[in-house]
Amino acid sequence: ETGVTQSPTHLIKTRGQQVTLRCSSQSGHNTVSWYQQALGQGPQFIFQYYREEENGRGNFPPRFSGLQFPNYSSELNVNALELDDSALYLCASTLGGTMNTEAFFGQGTRLTVV
Amino acid sequence: RKEVEQDPGPFNVPEGATVAFNCTYSNSASQSFFWYRQDCRKEPKLLMSVYSSGNEDGRFTAQLNRASQYISLLIRDSKLSDSATYLCVVSSASKIIFGSGTRLSIRP
Repeated sequence: ETGVTQSPTHLIKTRGQQVTLRCSSQSGHNTVSWYQQALGQGPQFIFQYYREEENGRGNFPPRFSGLQFPNYSSELNVNALELDDSALYLCASTLGGTMNTEAFFGQGTRLTVV
Repeated sequence: RKEVEQDPGPFNVPEGATVAFNCTYSNSASQSFFWYRQDCRKEPKLLMSVYSSGNEDGRFTAQLNRASQYISLLIRDSKLSDSATYLCVVSSASKIIFGSGTRLSIRP
């Protein structure tokens, strides 16, 4: 086990609603990144947080937002959910704020938008 | 064109075979390169980092060609437990890009 935990494991939401997903990083890791993985695809980078600031972002609209807390845990918020947001959402923790080190992934939250 | 491209497979090979995967990337400013393994319905896990000089870890060999912008993974003497999806990962200063993955199935 990596020590990265995500909650909830599964979630069903209705189109237009908002959702918050949570991630606790591995002990000692100060950087958390979030990914969206659609079925049959590789994970798509959403953004990364280091010391409570966003320090990198992929090609996702502003309705995808996040937070990192002083204990390095993180939240991913998605507003105005769309059907295409249905996916596995993964978070990963690393050390040091860079994107050049091994990332340890949680088991993911499977979001279904109906 | 995708920023990171992989052959999706599936590769279906017999146990003991040697199999090679390639991955190309478009951003010449990319800094770090990795191969991750993802089992069905599980999270990705690091298989190995990829260095310019090439690196080996047991049956696995990774190579990076910066001039041609591709990385490769070679698996020798494949085992049934090697069956998984292999993800090529390329990172720059501001983002991390995963390939779509190559599915590998090892048959007895």
